[in-house]
Parts: sequence; structure tokens; C-alpha cells
Amino acid sequence: SAVISQKPSRDICQRGTSLTIQCQVDSQVTMMFWYRQQPGQSLTLIATANQGSEATYESGFVIDKFPISRPNLTFSTLTVSNMSPEDSSIYLCSVRLFSGLDTGELFFGEGSRLTVL
Amino acid sequence: EDQVTQSPEALRLQEGESSSLNCSYTVSGLRGLFWYRQDPGKGPEFLFTLYSAGEEKEKERLKATLTKKESFLHITAPKPEDSATYLCAVQAPRDYKLSFGAGTTVTVRA
Repeated sequence: SAVISQKPSRDICQRGTSLTIQCQVDSQVTMMFWYRQQPGQSLTLIATANQGSEATYESGFVIDKFPISRPNLTFSTLTVSNMSPEDSSIYLCSVRLFSGLDTGELFFGEGSRLTVL
Repeated sequence: EDQVTQSPEALRLQEGESSSLNCSYTVSGLRGLFWYRQDPGKGPEFLFTLYSAGEEKEKERLKATLTKKESFLHITAPKPEDSATYLCAVQAPRDYKLSFGAGTTVTVRA
């Protein structure tokens, strides 16, 4: 497994502001992802954070709203830009670890709970 | 499009009362089915990966099974500490992405 640390763990933000979430992993990982979990709902993939290149976004998510950086194999950031109350969610960093099996297993950080007023 | 449906949405059990959670899936060729446990305010915790129909895996009071259309998570003689939301996810062969179900929230009363 991997130890995945996210900061902040929670925050209350004002409408129109932006917030950057940090994700630090205790080992080098190839595959790193950002998920969103809206209240009472399951996890939705926002994007794959690619080391040294632009992130790959899922349908419905755009770089201007959710810019992502991944400067190395252990760290990534997700920014939620120009926030509105609809952005109130838990944002989760996750990594894929492969133990010799093709599928690999996905591990998650503790999440960052954002409330937008 | 991959679909994952979990039932029931919520399950209230008495301590020691065994039960099962269901995860029905539609995917073009299953590459893996994953079970996670999520406690309130925390990220999902990995439990099991199942790869092929007939496969079973166990961990303490939890046992996961897989058929070609669904997976079951059996909770045997649950304790209050088993209270959590259990999430199911599937991966198709074409890529590494997981599609998650909405989860089953289990509450075990002492």
C-alpha cells in the first residue's frame, strides 16, 4: 500500500475564490488520479495527473476549472477555481499500485472536504 | 458505458446478524471488481479485488464473491466497528479507470 497525505483536510471557502489541494505520496507512483465525491454520492473521476505533462480530464471536467500539476512522481496539486456552492465536495487523491498483477489496486488519501459559501 | 448498481442503499443490522450486500455490474469484459470500505470523513479503504467468476476472498468477517453479473459482500456476525459505507467498483479491459457504485451504508447496532 501507500501513504497518501492530503492538505487541507477541510476548508470553508467563499464563492468566487480558488483553493489548491496538495497530495503527497510516500513512494514514487506512476499513476495518480483526482476524484470528487459530492454529498451522498459516489466517486467521480476528475482527471489523471500525468507527471511532466498536462493532466487528462474526464468528460465534464475542464482544465480552467480544475487545473492540476504533477511536478514529480510523489506530488500533485488540484486547484478548484472560481468556486461556487456546487463545488462543495470531498476531493480525493488516489494512486494505482501494481504488485505484479495486471490490474493494480487503487489507494486513496483521506480526502479534502470543501464547503463553498 | 460501464454501470455499477449497489443494493440496498442502506442496511441496518443487529450485532451478530449476518447479511449480504449486492453489486450488479455491466461492463464489456471485466478486468477487475473492487470493494472498498469508507468511514465518514475518510477516504475509501481498499478491501478486495476479484478478477474472475467463481473467485472468493475473505478478510476477517467479510467475504467477497463474484459471478459474471454481480458480486456479493457477505458480512458474517457483524460488529459495530463494521459500520461504514461499502463501495464497489469495476474496471474494463480498455483502460485503467474505475467506475464506482453509489455504495451501501451499513449500520451495525450493539
